[in-house]
Amino acid sequence: QMQLQQWGAGLLKPSETLSLTCAVYGGSFSGYYWSWIRQPPGKGLEWIGQISHSGNTKYKSSLKSRVTISVDTSKRQVSLKMTSVTAADTAVYYCASNPPPYDSGGFEKWGQGALVTVSS
Amino acid sequence: SFELTQPPSVSVSLGQTARITCSGNYLGEKYACWYQQRPGQSPVLVIYQDSRRPSGVPERFSGSNSGKTATLTISGTQVMDEADYYCQAWDSSSGWVFGTGTTVTVV
Repeated sequence: QMQLQQWGAGLLKPSETLSLTCAVYGGSFSGYYWSWIRQPPGKGLEWIGQISHSGNTKYKSSLKSRVTISVDTSKRQVSLKMTSVTAADTAVYYCASNPPPYDSGGFEKWGQGALVTVSS
Repeated sequence: SFELTQPPSVSVSLGQTARITCSGNYLGEKYACWYQQRPGQSPVLVIYQDSRRPSGVPERFSGSNSGKTATLTISGTQVMDEADYYCQAWDSSSGWVFGTGTTVTVV
């Protein structure tokens, strides 16, 4: 049974870099795509971007200039970095697994979520 | 850019049928997924590929997708079905897009 566990800094100052890691336990790692999603307090879900096990990425266009998603297959980990954060980036951040077929299977498993607060 | 629109809220009587719509241009030509999110919890996939249920999801959850609208139907709605529901679809230009979300209330 696949489980996703996330961790990272929860409180940042404006202009700092957000850094989160998601570890995958159990199940397959290769053959999956891995996405990051965020949810501002009291608001809806927003997809940030995805990466394949081989490192191919796609990002939401409005965030592309600030976001990097990377993968370490040896550790079965996926990471998210977002530069120059502002208060608008305050949200719960989730990682999620996307099995094949990648454009229709949806996000099968989700991490527990990590609240990131940006405040001076 | 590709967008998905849902009604903010749906109210349903206990044991009755709730229908949640999701609208977007050419949505019927893509696959729709649906997620349930209870307060303080991570979302859970309840429908993928328009109408398929993951293992463990009750049969009262069903989905359809045609034209510009995808629909999630909850038959015999129970109190435990009170939650926020989000549709989702993949667009080759925009990537994954989530709907605006619908709060289901059981009265």
